[in-house]
Amino acid sequence: SYVLTQPPSLSVAPGQTARISCGGDNIGSKSVHWYQQKPGQAPVVVIYYDSHRPSHIPERFSGSKSGNTATLIITGVEAGDEAGFYCQVWDTLTAHPVFGGGTKLTVL
Amino acid sequence: QVQLVQSGAEVKKPGASVKVSCRASGYTFTAYSMHWVRQAPGKSLEWMASINGGNHYTERAQSFQDRVTIMMDTSANTAQMELSDLRSEDTAVYYCARVNRNDDAPQFDYWGQGTLVTVSS
Repeated sequence: SYVLTQPPSLSVAPGQTARISCGGDNIGSKSVHWYQQKPGQAPVVVIYYDSHRPSHIPERFSGSKSGNTATLIITGVEAGDEAGFYCQVWDTLTAHPVFGGGTKLTVL
Repeated sequence: QVQLVQSGAEVKKPGASVKVSCRASGYTFTAYSMHWVRQAPGKSLEWMASINGGNHYTERAQSFQDRVTIMMDTSANTAQMELSDLRSEDTAVYYCARVNRNDDAPQFDYWGQGTLVTVSS
């Protein structure tokens, strides 16, 4: 089955830029969605279709994709951004959704 | 506004079954598919199954093929997931989440609040 690989953790100082990667075979041909999950809460989509941002999500959140890696970028990181982040695509072989292992973002 | 409200926490013994419901409001229930995703403590999100709101066609992940049943009551705008033969490793938070069934490779745009299922003897 299709595998998405994320770094387990990332630490960033307030005001800096966080870049969370999501690697997968031929991910360039897939649409990538990103979810933020704060402790005790359900996931919330922050980026969909690679780089689209829901209206209620701050402009500090953006997405990009290059080669076999998709990246969630958070500029001007704030303490409130501390959360788990998950990438998600659809496996073209099974037509089932697949999630990455998740990255815990810590704001120093 | 769109809301997915799930049933409350459950404690079950190994070998038992559990049913989790998800009541939807604020949108046309049949225009979307409902999916079930679980998250074990400290782990990532794991997709389990889905049901098409239009034709009630279901899909299940290979790892849950024999144990999960999902259904939909369009008159009550409610989806339900039943997991049988519970094991300790099924202890997790179970989420319902909707996707637009007419989009290609869509995102999960709304999620339920989650239902904690604890399996313990």
